[in-house]
Amino acid sequence: NAGVMQNPRHLVRRRGQEARLRCSPMKGHSHVYWYRQLPEEGLKFMVYLQKENIIDESGMPKERFSAEFPKEGPSILRIQQVVRGDSAAYFCASSPRGPSTQSYEQYFGPGTRLTVT
Amino acid sequence: GENVEQHPSTLSVQEGDSAVIKCTYSDSASNYFPWYKQELGKGPQLIIDIRSNVGEKKDQRIAVTLNKTAKHFSLHITETQPEDSAVYFCAANERGSTLGRLYFGRGTQLTVWP
Repeated sequence: NAGVMQNPRHLVRRRGQEARLRCSPMKGHSHVYWYRQLPEEGLKFMVYLQKENIIDESGMPKERFSAEFPKEGPSILRIQQVVRGDSAAYFCASSPRGPSTQSYEQYFGPGTRLTVT
Repeated sequence: GENVEQHPSTLSVQEGDSAVIKCTYSDSASNYFPWYKQELGKGPQLIIDIRSNVGEKKDQRIAVTLNKTAKHFSLHITETQPEDSAVYFCAANERGSTLGRLYFGRGTQLTVWP
């Protein structure tokens, strides 16, 4: 059973370009979370999505960042007009059922390391 | 929101010794506390978790204890091996639990010397 998959694993963008990060959850998982990790820091929550719905985006910067999880295909985290401060590792995690069912376990992918030059 | 503090930030032990990492949390409504192991260049791996209705949980060489009154929980690794070397993160869930977000500590770099 394949785990959470993320691509690309490494992404280099120049300031002002767009970055698209993809996450395919584990088979049978319909809940996806995105986290950002700055060097030598813990993970910071960004957004929680279910298929076709954004459930909680309170951790997302108000501008330039957006996320989606369409009915078909991977979840995508999109960063427009990237700046140097966006350089970080971005992880997604998936869960088979949502917290409303008392199911809290989250399984992480390998991450995308974004470098903005 | 929840605030999770983790100590120590670095920990070095001799192979075979025990290692203990401690975390505190601020929100008394939190009811789920996972621990993750992150190796260099990889994603966090869930190694053990505990819920607020349990005081201790064990899985082979690792165990987690929870003190709800004091709002702290700890990871215990016995008979450490060099392959245990990694960064360990504790986390706690969101108040109310209908939102799934986790709040993470800043991590502990564990080094096990052979």
